Amino acid sequence: NAGVMQNPRHLVRRRGQEARLRCSPMKGHSHVYWYRQLPEEGLKFMVYLQKENIIDESGMPKERFSAEFPKEGPSILRIQQVVRGDSAAYFCASSPLGSGDGYTFGSGTRLTVV
Amino acid sequence: KNQVEQSPQSLIILEGKNCTLQCNYTVSPFSNLRWYKQDTGRGPVSLTIMTFSENTKSNRRYTATLDADTKQSSLHITASQLSDSASYICVVSPSQTTYKYIFGTGTRLKVLA
Repeated sequence: NAGVMQNPRHLVRRRGQEARLRCSPMKGHSHVYWYRQLPEEGLKFMVYLQKENIIDESGMPKERFSAEFPKEGPSILRIQQVVRGDSAAYFCASSPLGSGDGYTFGSGTRLTVV
Repeated sequence: KNQVEQSPQSLIILEGKNCTLQCNYTVSPFSNLRWYKQDTGRGPVSLTIMTFSENTKSNRRYTATLDADTKQSSLHITASQLSDSASYICVVSPSQTTYKYIFGTGTRLKVLA
């Protein structure tokens, strides 16, 4: 029973390029959450998704960031026209219920913008 | 503003010693409080979870306490091991949005042989 799988583990992008981060939830989990961890800061909530629905995107920057969780396949966090300030670790978590119980985190994707 | 503050920022102890990490929060009302362990380059892993009505919770060598009146929590690690070297993070779930975890910045613990 694999845990939450995130890929790639490390991603380097030049300023202005697009970054796509993938997250496959644990088997049986239909709720996905994305968090961002800037250097020397705690994890910050970005977005909560269920299959084909965005439930809460209150933590997402208004521009350049988008997230989806299609009926088939992994959840995708997309960052367009990346800037140096986007460099961070992006963690995905999944849970069987939407209450937040039973969160399991992936190992994260470390995005570096050069 | 809902916040979670932790102290100390970092701590170095010798193997076999005990230590206590502190957490103060302003999140109110809150549903539960968790302590996580995060190894370098890995995602956080849950150690303990307490609801607002619980005072203490143990998990092997980890014991967490909660005082909901003073909005303080602590994590006590007994007989530390080298593998305990990691960041320990206090996380609070608000009652109205229990899925939206609020993370502290963590305490970096280094255990030396």
